[in-house]
Amino acid sequence: TQLLEQSPQFLSIQEGENLTVYCNSSSVFSSLQWYRQEPGEGPVLLVTVVTGGEVKKLKRLTFQFGDARKDSSLHITAAQPGDTGLYLCAGSPNTGNQFYFGTGTSLTVIP
Amino acid sequence: DAGITQSPRHKVTETGTPVTLRCHQTENHRYMYWYRQDPGHGLRLIHYSYGVKDTDKGEVSDGYSVSRSKTEDFLLTLESATSSQTSVYFCAISVTGGNNQPQHFGDGTRLSIL
Repeated sequence: TQLLEQSPQFLSIQEGENLTVYCNSSSVFSSLQWYRQEPGEGPVLLVTVVTGGEVKKLKRLTFQFGDARKDSSLHITAAQPGDTGLYLCAGSPNTGNQFYFGTGTSLTVIP
Repeated sequence: DAGITQSPRHKVTETGTPVTLRCHQTENHRYMYWYRQDPGHGLRLIHYSYGVKDTDKGEVSDGYSVSRSKTEDFLLTLESATSSQTSVYFCAISVTGGNNQPQHFGDGTRLSIL
């Protein structure tokens, strides 16, 4: 069982559409990070959310941290082919010092 | 890009043989990590280091050992490789081990054990 579950696992959409990716846990996290990974490369950090209820925007990407700090979402507006990649959430639960990654969401944006 | 080099980038070996993967950084970061990535599991932490000769186990440490004799190098060893250890291995570094600290990743090592 993964500590951080992401949904959906796979997502294929047309250019210009909107989408939301979810990252859920039964544990409380002090913060959550979102990474994007392209084929043949390592993940690259997009954002860190720290405060419950926090919303951060990065151009067309909007990240939200749940009020209870157990979940997070990533919303992409008007997706572009350059958004294609594997999106991963990650963080350390309050109960320990281990760092966990989510199961990942593979996004394909079709031109 | 963070100065992280993983070697080798690809390796094919047989069950029962020892394998060592190397991670080299030029950033002088204190923390270094080894992950494995498998479909449906995201990345899972194997071992990490918080300084020279200071290491600790991660979520999936069984069958793996690590060593860090210099700040810049973190080695991952599979003493007797098994087919279940076929995976893509990533090294990462961070300035500190705090939860909010970003981790910077290498480009991975694809390991196949036949």
